[in-house]
Amino acid sequence: DVKVTQSSRYLVKRTGEKVFLECVQDMDHENMFWYRQDPGLGLRLIYFSYDVKMKEKGDIPEGYSVSREKKERFSLILESASTNQTSMYLCASRLKREGPRSGELFFGEGSRLTVL
Amino acid sequence: DAKTTQPPSMDCAEGRAANLPCNHSTISGNEYVYWYRQIHSQGPQYIIHGLKNNETNEMASLIITEDRKSSTLILPHATLRDTAVYYCIVRVAGNAGNMLTFGGGTRLMVKP
Repeated sequence: DVKVTQSSRYLVKRTGEKVFLECVQDMDHENMFWYRQDPGLGLRLIYFSYDVKMKEKGDIPEGYSVSREKKERFSLILESASTNQTSMYLCASRLKREGPRSGELFFGEGSRLTVL
Repeated sequence: DAKTTQPPSMDCAEGRAANLPCNHSTISGNEYVYWYRQIHSQGPQYIIHGLKNNETNEMASLIITEDRKSSTLILPHATLRDTAVYYCIVRVAGNAGNMLTFGGGTRLMVKP
C-alpha cells in the first residue's frame, strides 16, 4: 500500500514563526501536492510538484513556499506564520500524471496547524 | 470541470446498502467521475472512478446513468466505519494539470 506520511499531526506556532510541514511518500510517485482544508471551503490546492525541483502554484499559494529536493519528500514552508493560516494541511501524491488514474490521489493523515 | 451536486447528509442502517447520489448534468464526454471519502480527522481516501460503464472494486460499486448526468456510489453492506464525508468529483482525466476540486460532499452517518 502507498503510504504518505506527514511529519506532525498537530502543531501550535506563534505569529511570525517559520513553519515547516514535511511529507514523505514511499511509492516512488512523481507528483506531490499540498492542500489546506477549512470548514465550509473544502480542500484548496496550495502548491504541487510534478518532479524533483519542480513546483507549480495552486489556487492559494500566497504566504507559502515549497521545496522538493528529493522525489519522496515535499515540504511546505510558511515563512512567517499568520493566524489566517490556522488550518488542516493535507499532503498527497499520485502515480500517474495523465490518464484516468491521474485522478487517484493518496493522502496523508493531515497536519493540524494552529497559529496563535 | 463539470460541477457536481450531492445531498449534504444521509443516514444508513448498519448492514444495509448505502446509495450515495451525485448529479453532474453538465458533464462532458471526456470527463471521469471520481469518488473519495474522508473519515473524521483523516485525509481523503480514493474509492473508485468511472467513465460510462459501471465499476466495482473491493470498496464499492459505481453506477453511472446512460446519459452520464448522474451517478450513484453503492456501499453494499455499510459498517460503522463507513461513516464519513463522501465526495463526488468530475474531471478530465487526460490533463495532468487539471487538479481535483473537492466540493461539500455528502456526510454519511451509518447507524447501528
